[in-house]
Amino acid sequence: AQSVSQHNHHVILSEAASLELGCNYSYGGTVNLFWYVQYPGQHLQLLLKYFSGDPLVKGIKGFEAEFIKSKFSFNLRKPSVQWSDTAEYFCAVNEGGATNKLIFGTGTLLAVQP
Amino acid sequence: NAGVTQTPKFRVLKTGQSMTLLCAQDMNHEYMYWYRQDPGMGLRLIHYSVGEGTTAKGEVPDGYNVSRLKKQNFLLGLESAAPSQTSVYFCASSYWGLAGRNEQFFGPGTRLTVL
Repeated sequence: AQSVSQHNHHVILSEAASLELGCNYSYGGTVNLFWYVQYPGQHLQLLLKYFSGDPLVKGIKGFEAEFIKSKFSFNLRKPSVQWSDTAEYFCAVNEGGATNKLIFGTGTLLAVQP
Repeated sequence: NAGVTQTPKFRVLKTGQSMTLLCAQDMNHEYMYWYRQDPGMGLRLIHYSVGEGTTAKGEVPDGYNVSRLKKQNFLLGLESAAPSQTSVYFCASSYWGLAGRNEQFFGPGTRLTVL
């Protein structure tokens, strides 16, 4: 079965620091990859997604992610974080098929200190 | 356009009680999903539906039932609540088509505590 690993469970950064959150998936075939963000007390929102083409995808709020097929990875990056980026970040993989089901990683809690 | 809404927002139950969580979407989405979110475990799929009148089991279906009588609504039921069902429940919906590529839209969540 498909699985998604996020190895950083809790990250603490100062404002203006660079961010990279790791995401690895297990499936060797064609995958559709997503990063969602959950701000405190809010529902999940889509940050960015990758289906095909340019492996470097840009999302909202200055986030980007790079798909590296050989490493089964889809890491999230931001050059300079802000206090407002404090949130929990989830990587997810879609198995494809007729159900559009997502498999989520366990999440990374990011705390940005002012 | 309200998107995905969930009722109630909070609920406290005693062990053995039953309740139904309601999810509604106004985006005419074919697919709907129920997840539970627990600390350190991410979101896990409970049940899902690919259309009105259809439901299927997800990763953690035990202790839950669902119904999709209308396209816009997806109900999650707990027949006999247990403390292990204390969690935050999220509903989501998405379009049909381009399998695997459609963004899921999430509701605000229901925080359930079972004592």
